Amino acid sequence: GNSVTQMEGPVTLSEEAFLTINCTYTATGYPSLFWYVQYPGEGLQLLLKATKADDKGSNKGFEATYRKETTSFHLEKGSVQVSDSAVYFCALSSGSETSGSRLTFGEGTQLTVNP
Amino acid sequence: DTAVSQTPKYLVTQMGNDKSIKCEQNLGHDTMYWYKQDSKKFLKIMFSYNNKELIINETVPNRFSPKSPDKAHLNLHINSLELGDSAVYFCASSQGIKTGEQYFGPGTRLTVT
Repeated sequence: GNSVTQMEGPVTLSEEAFLTINCTYTATGYPSLFWYVQYPGEGLQLLLKATKADDKGSNKGFEATYRKETTSFHLEKGSVQVSDSAVYFCALSSGSETSGSRLTFGEGTQLTVNP
Repeated sequence: DTAVSQTPKYLVTQMGNDKSIKCEQNLGHDTMYWYKQDSKKFLKIMFSYNNKELIINETVPNRFSPKSPDKAHLNLHINSLELGDSAVYFCASSQGIKTGEQYFGPGTRLTVT
């Protein structure tokens, strides 16, 4: 079956530090890959996505590249801010017209950015 | 304008009770979902409906029964609540059955005592 593995957290950084959150996946076929972010007390928001190999998703200074050869989709940001403090989820989507699409999530990584 | 809304936001109840959570989306999407997030933040899909038709039904106890009266609404009814049902339940929607680009509601925190 499909699975997503994220680096264990929590991650604590100082403002303006470089961020990497590792994500690897196992899937049959060609899934789409996503990063979702959950701010305290809120639902998940789509941060970025990539639908095929070598695609780079980017948003709000965050980037991730779909690496099929290493089955990875690591999240990076060059300079984090206090407002980036949240839980980050890597996810993959697979399915069909008959079975429907389902998101398989990683465990989530809590990021805390200190001033 | 709230895209995906859920009520109530918090729900505290005793074991054995029956409760419902409601979800509405105003995005015009065809597909809606219920997810459960446990105390360790792990998210797992429970159900999915497309145009009011059930298309995903994970291994969820049959005490959980989803109902979709129309495309914009997906409710979750839980019978005979148990301590292990305590979690945050998220509703989500998407445009179409195949996309993983989903829009989530704010969640309903259910506490069973």
